[in-house]
Amino acid sequence: RKEVEQDPGPFNVPEGATVAFNCTYSNSASQSFFWYRQDCRKEPKLLMSVYSSGNEDGRFTAQLNRASQYISLLIRDSKLSDSATYLCVVTNTGTASKLTFGTGTRLQVTL
Amino acid sequence: EAGVAQSPRYKIIEKRQSVAFWCNPISGHATLYWYQQILGQGPKLLIQFQNNGVVDDSQLPKDRFSAERLKGVDSTLKIQPAKLEDSAVYLCASSEGTGGAYEQYFGPGTRLTVT
Repeated sequence: RKEVEQDPGPFNVPEGATVAFNCTYSNSASQSFFWYRQDCRKEPKLLMSVYSSGNEDGRFTAQLNRASQYISLLIRDSKLSDSATYLCVVTNTGTASKLTFGTGTRLQVTL
Repeated sequence: EAGVAQSPRYKIIEKRQSVAFWCNPISGHATLYWYQQILGQGPKLLIQFQNNGVVDDSQLPKDRFSAERLKGVDSTLKIQPAKLEDSAVYLCASSEGTGGAYEQYFGPGTRLTVT
């Protein structure tokens, strides 16, 4: 089983739609959780951290369920500029800040 | 503030040749990482440095890959000899320190094609 699993997509949604991505992780001792965004042929950039209490940043909401080892990202009112690959990332105990990335979920927002 | 710099941006070599990549992290960042991203996959950590010491190189194929960070600033990653499966984007990242609280900033990457 992969350490971090994501549905690769692609998710094709119209502008203004709400879309949700899910991610599961295998190591119950995982400590920190993030969503990164990667545009085509560009480097990954941190989108947001994910906290146990859930957190929101504008149109983006991230949630963590430690019991189910599940992370989600919700994007409301999708914009064309949201088209990208969204990478689920976890860090595990004992390895400092080693990031383990999922394969990413590709989102394409269309007119 | 200048970001993470990498060179070259693109490299095409034949299998069994050698190649080296260079990374200059954000000024003042103690921690430096090299990742390999194969098409369609997420980045995979190859090696992590804290200043000029290696913190984690458990996923570095040491029979052909080597990396150094002399003087705790710039770093080079070398592949010798290259194999077809080494075709990937090699990303360098840096952070102020270790631990999940520190954001990692990525460079633009070096796209390697092995033919």
